[in-house]
Amino acid sequence: DAGVIQSPRHEVTEMGQEVTLRCKPISGHNSLFWYRQTMMRGLELLIYFNNNVPIDDSGMPEDRFSAKMPNASFSTLKIQPSEPRDSAVYFCASSRGAGQGMTEAFFGQGTRLTVV
Amino acid sequence: KQEVTQIPAALSVPEGENLVLNCSFTDSAIYNLQWFRQDPGKGLTSLLLIQSSQREQTSGRLNASLDKSSGRSTLYIAASQPGDSATYLCAVRSSNTGKLIFGQGTTLQVKP
Repeated sequence: DAGVIQSPRHEVTEMGQEVTLRCKPISGHNSLFWYRQTMMRGLELLIYFNNNVPIDDSGMPEDRFSAKMPNASFSTLKIQPSEPRDSAVYFCASSRGAGQGMTEAFFGQGTRLTVV
Repeated sequence: KQEVTQIPAALSVPEGENLVLNCSFTDSAIYNLQWFRQDPGKGLTSLLLIQSSQREQTSGRLNASLDKSSGRSTLYIAASQPGDSATYLCAVRSSNTGKLIFGQGTTLQVKP
């Protein structure tokens, strides 16, 4: 398996523009996580999906952020409108199983977002 | 609310030393605990996964232990090498929420 695939790897956009980040989890994994990493705040969990359903989005900072998982092999994180303070590295991760049988989580390489 | 703390925040050791990184968590209701490594500008690489029913896991020079009742885990690195220099992160999978919650990490520098 190619692992968790994120695109784009780098994104530079102007303030006010819409940004869409994409993630393809590992085939067969049923949990998907979106994280944001900054020097000041470390890794913050934004939203968690299980079996394509959003379970917890309490980490989504504002209404400007939205995430979808239309099927088991694809998820998007959208920021509209983007602001300079959204600049960070955004990671997607996936894992398999449920309850005590949950496997380790694997991370994508991340998308480095810069909003100018 | 689950909180994960890692101590120390940074550590510098000479090559060859054995060292211990610490991770503590406030809620013992977890499915598992995972240790990751992150190199500068890179993604996270999984090192070890310990299920809640396990006490330790080993991979090469790495040994991770888990004491769920006290909310603690340690990552032991034997005979450290300059290539071990990176940030090490621990994360717990909450059995109440399913979330994977991270600590702030320990940045390790191993000097040749």
